[in-house]
Amino acid sequence: NAGVTQTPKFRILKIGQSMTLQCTQDMNHNYMYWYRQDPGMGLKLIYYSVGAGITDKGEVPNGYNVSRSTTEDFPLRLELAAPSQTSVYFCASSYSSRGPDEQYFGPGTRLTVT
Amino acid sequence: KNQVEQSPQSLIILEGKNCTLQCNYTVSPFSNLRWYKQDTGRGPVSLTIMTFSENTKSNGRYTATLDADTKQSSLHITASQLSDSASYICVVISTGNTGKLIFGQGTTLQVKP
Repeated sequence: NAGVTQTPKFRILKIGQSMTLQCTQDMNHNYMYWYRQDPGMGLKLIYYSVGAGITDKGEVPNGYNVSRSTTEDFPLRLELAAPSQTSVYFCASSYSSRGPDEQYFGPGTRLTVT
Repeated sequence: KNQVEQSPQSLIILEGKNCTLQCNYTVSPFSNLRWYKQDTGRGPVSLTIMTFSENTKSNGRYTATLDADTKQSSLHITASQLSDSASYICVVISTGNTGKLIFGQGTTLQVKP
């Protein structure tokens, strides 16, 4: 299993540009998540999905959109990039939301908006 | 407000020494607590998972403790190695449909030869 994969690894955007961060998992997990990690801060949940076709907002959803057309893929869309979106983005997945169930994280995408 | 606070913010120790990282939380209702290791430029990887009824859990040289009464946890690293240099993140899971994870800001550990 490749686990959770993310592309790209790095990206520099200009203000106002748009892009999609890709996330794929091959563990047949129902739950998928997008987090952002700012320097010196804990990870913050942007969006999550409990299954194909179902998504919901997390703690910091403004400026982002998601879709979940398949179990495997959970792309994160930035429509109008802003400097405040400069961060490291992590995708994660888990089989369920039960407490003991493990969340597996991807390697991250480092995004800079200038 | 549900919070997870870690201390110290950063720590430097010599190879072979032991260290203890602290985590205090105010999350309620509480489901379980996890410690993650995050190497530079990588995603977090789980070290231990403890439910409220467990007060200690080991994973090799890593031992986590939990006191649900005082809402404190610690991660003890024994006989540190250079590869232990990383950020260690305390994560508390609140009960509920989404199993919401609440992350601490992490402790950055540097092990020097």
